[in-house]
Amino acid sequence: LAKTTQPISMDSYEGQEVNITCSHNNIATNDYITWYQQFPSQGPRFIIQGYKTKVTNEVASLFIPADRKSSTLSLPRVSLSDTAVYYCLVALRGYSTLTFGKGTMLLVSP
Amino acid sequence: GAGVSQSPSNKVTEKGKDVELRCDPISGHTALYWYRQSLGQGLEFLIYFQGNSAPDKSGLPSDRFSAERTGGSVSTLTIQRTQQEDSAVYLCASSVTGGEIYGYTFGSGTRLTVV
Repeated sequence: LAKTTQPISMDSYEGQEVNITCSHNNIATNDYITWYQQFPSQGPRFIIQGYKTKVTNEVASLFIPADRKSSTLSLPRVSLSDTAVYYCLVALRGYSTLTFGKGTMLLVSP
Repeated sequence: GAGVSQSPSNKVTEKGKDVELRCDPISGHTALYWYRQSLGQGLEFLIYFQGNSAPDKSGLPSDRFSAERTGGSVSTLTIQRTQQEDSAVYLCASSVTGGEIYGYTFGSGTRLTVV
């Protein structure tokens, strides 16, 4: 499984756009990139998944450059409730076991 | 049920005692996973079930840990002779078939404290 590297923590203010970048230099051709969000005292929750270019849903956007060696999760206009840990995962679609790193702790302040 | 249910939500036990943690996956989900999360750490994979069999139990940290799943539904994680280092949040997740990464649904976990 490809290893991922992401910042340990980030700070932001309400209403700002937050971009969290994840490095995955040894991503394989058939690997997908997935982001999960975890609030305190809860299990992780799927946010978004992509293979290349850009994916957008009601929660976030995921930008993946052509070489796919990194990806950026973009959260538009964050609120206090977006304070959470965000995990970047790279795995073969169809592979059954996910490997989570330590994630990025995002703190949104008023 | 509508989500993955875990019980108990909190468990305090004395060192050396055995504990059982329960997971009720989403109805119809054939794949079930157990993870462990220690304070300030990421999630550590423990075991994966497909139906009632466990094709991947490589994450179980020692022979004190075991898990079973019956009827393709409820799973129980058992920790024998608990140690203080077993203190963590134990998370269960399920997915429809196990092959779609985005389909993992996690429960809220069981917080285990060994004193």
